[in-house]
Amino acid sequence: AQTVTQSQPEMSVQEAETVTLSCTYDTSESNYYLFWYKQPPSRQMILVIRQEAYKQQNATENRFSVNFQKAAKSFSLKISDSQLGDTAMYFCAFRAYSGGGADGLTFGKGTHLIIQP
Amino acid sequence: DTAVSQTPKYLVTQMGNDKSIKCEQNLGHDTMYWYKQDSKKFLKIMFSYNNKELIINETVPNRFSPKSPDKAHLNLHINSLELGDSAVYFCASSQDWGLAGETQYFGPGTRLLVL
Repeated sequence: AQTVTQSQPEMSVQEAETVTLSCTYDTSESNYYLFWYKQPPSRQMILVIRQEAYKQQNATENRFSVNFQKAAKSFSLKISDSQLGDTAMYFCAFRAYSGGGADGLTFGKGTHLIIQP
Repeated sequence: DTAVSQTPKYLVTQMGNDKSIKCEQNLGHDTMYWYKQDSKKFLKIMFSYNNKELIINETVPNRFSPKSPDKAHLNLHINSLELGDSAVYFCASSQDWGLAGETQYFGPGTRLLVL
């Protein structure tokens, strides 16, 4: 079974600063994806970024980038030039292939990110 | 147009009652899911259906019964509601069960409160 650990329950930074959210995972699978989802106060779950385990290059999406360390099983999210609208819960998630298809997403417990004006 | 919709958004009910939550997606996806988010915000997969067939059935009490009348709909029926069932229930969909990297599109969630 996979586990996903987010060790920072809450973080707070000033607007325009850079912040890094940490995530580690444990799996025996070799073929998997990692994701970061954002859940703002509206409760809507929004995909921020994804990384395929076989790709060495770190994924980037505008101000969001990841640092994927496969050997260390680490998958951190960096948010540059943080904005007030980035205030949200951020969930790290894992999904592997098994039994002919893909499992459901396995989520970490989330990091509540607060961007201060 | 809303991609994944759920009804109702809020549900307050008494212990022992039976209730249903409906989910519809207009994305043409083959796969749909139910997730439960508890009071500590922890999200966990409950069920997954692919083309109306049950694919994933995590350790969930059998009081929970999903039903997929067609691949655009996945409803969740809960019998004999208990206090511990209070949570936010999210429906999601993705194009294909076989693609682990696919984006899962989530509905707005249904907040269930059992009194």
